[in-house]
Amino acid sequence: LAKTTQPISMDSYEGQEVNITCSHNNIATNDYITWYQQFPSQGPRFIIQGYKTKVTNEVASLFIPADRKSSTLSLPRVSLSDTAVYYCLVGDALNFNKFYFGSGTKLNVKP
Amino acid sequence: SQTIHQWPATLVQPVGSPLSLECTVEGTSNPNLYWYRQAAGRGLQLLFYSVGIGQISSEVPQNLSASRPQDRQFILSSKKLLLSDSGFYLCAWNGGRAVTYNEQFFGPGTRLTVL
Repeated sequence: LAKTTQPISMDSYEGQEVNITCSHNNIATNDYITWYQQFPSQGPRFIIQGYKTKVTNEVASLFIPADRKSSTLSLPRVSLSDTAVYYCLVGDALNFNKFYFGSGTKLNVKP
Repeated sequence: SQTIHQWPATLVQPVGSPLSLECTVEGTSNPNLYWYRQAAGRGLQLLFYSVGIGQISSEVPQNLSASRPQDRQFILSSKKLLLSDSGFYLCAWNGGRAVTYNEQFFGPGTRLTVL
């Protein structure tokens, strides 16, 4: 599985847009990019998944450039409740039986 | 709908004591099942995963073991706990009727403290 690199932490203020970038230089052709959110003392929760270009759902947007060596999770107008750890995972959708979570990015939203 | 249960929610055990954590999934069949451990302030470490009854793959050699006696039951065990086994243990599942196979669903977790 491709290794991912994310910033350890980020700070933001309520109402701002937050972009968290993940590097995955060794991404394979069949790999998908998936983002999870984790609150303290809870299990991670799926946010969004994509293969290329842009994906948007009610929670976030995921931007993937043509070379797919990185991806950016975009959270519009964050609130205090978005303070959490965000994990980027890269894996093969056809070989979905193993998932590797890195250390993630700790997002701290301030009032 | 699918639900995943873990118990106990919290556990305090002395060093050298045995461990048994249980995870069950409802509302799906033939799920892939996973055990993760998360040390304080750290990311998730994949411990075991299972694609079917009796099929266990270990990711990290250690004093823990896992078993899957039934399709939707996953058990994490240890004969003798170490201090380093303290952490937050999470069970997860995917596959079955999941919308996308890359989406995992996590249980509420077990907070284990080894003293």
